[in-house]
Amino acid sequence: NAGVTQTPKFRILKIGQSMTLQCTQDMNHNYMYWYRQDPGMGLKLIYYSVGAGITDKGEVPNGYNVSRSTTEDFPLRLELAAPSQTSVYFCASSHVPGQGSYGYTFGSGTRLTVV
Amino acid sequence: GENVEQHPSTLSVQEGDSAVIKCTYSDSASNYFPWYKQELGKGPQLIIDIRSNVGEKKDQRIAVTLNKTAKHFSLHITETQPEDSAVYFCAASIEASNSGYALNFGKGTSLLVTP
Repeated sequence: NAGVTQTPKFRILKIGQSMTLQCTQDMNHNYMYWYRQDPGMGLKLIYYSVGAGITDKGEVPNGYNVSRSTTEDFPLRLELAAPSQTSVYFCASSHVPGQGSYGYTFGSGTRLTVV
Repeated sequence: GENVEQHPSTLSVQEGDSAVIKCTYSDSASNYFPWYKQELGKGPQLIIDIRSNVGEKKDQRIAVTLNKTAKHFSLHITETQPEDSAVYFCAASIEASNSGYALNFGKGTSLLVTP
């Protein structure tokens, strides 16, 4: 199993550009999450989804959008990129609590720089 | 919302010594407490977790303790090895099957094990 796959691994954007960070998982997990990681700040939740067609905001959703059309895919869209969105982005997935093994499986991250 | 504090931010130990990382949480409803290890350039990986109905859990050289009354939990690594060097994150959440269990992370502890 590949687990959680994120693409691209690195990207440089100019201010005002848009892009989509891709995330796909092959573990049949219902729950998926997007976090951003800034140096010394831990991980902050951007958006999450409990199943196809259902998404909800996390702690820092401004400037981002998500969609969940399938169980496997959970893309994160950045519109009008700003320097404050320079960060490392992690996608994660998990089983429904009470079903299967617990804990998140994280992807390897996308390092985004906005200049 | 939940606030997770983690200490220390950096920790240096000699190979073979023990390492202890401590976290406190603010929401008494939190009932799931995982620990993640993040190696350079990789996503966090679950190493151990504990639920609020258990006071201690051990897995080989790693143990986690939970004090619900004081709202703090700790990670203990014994007989440390250089490969234990990494950033460790604690997290807390409320497991709820209808809303996912979005994790609230501490800011991380950078552990260095010197030979």
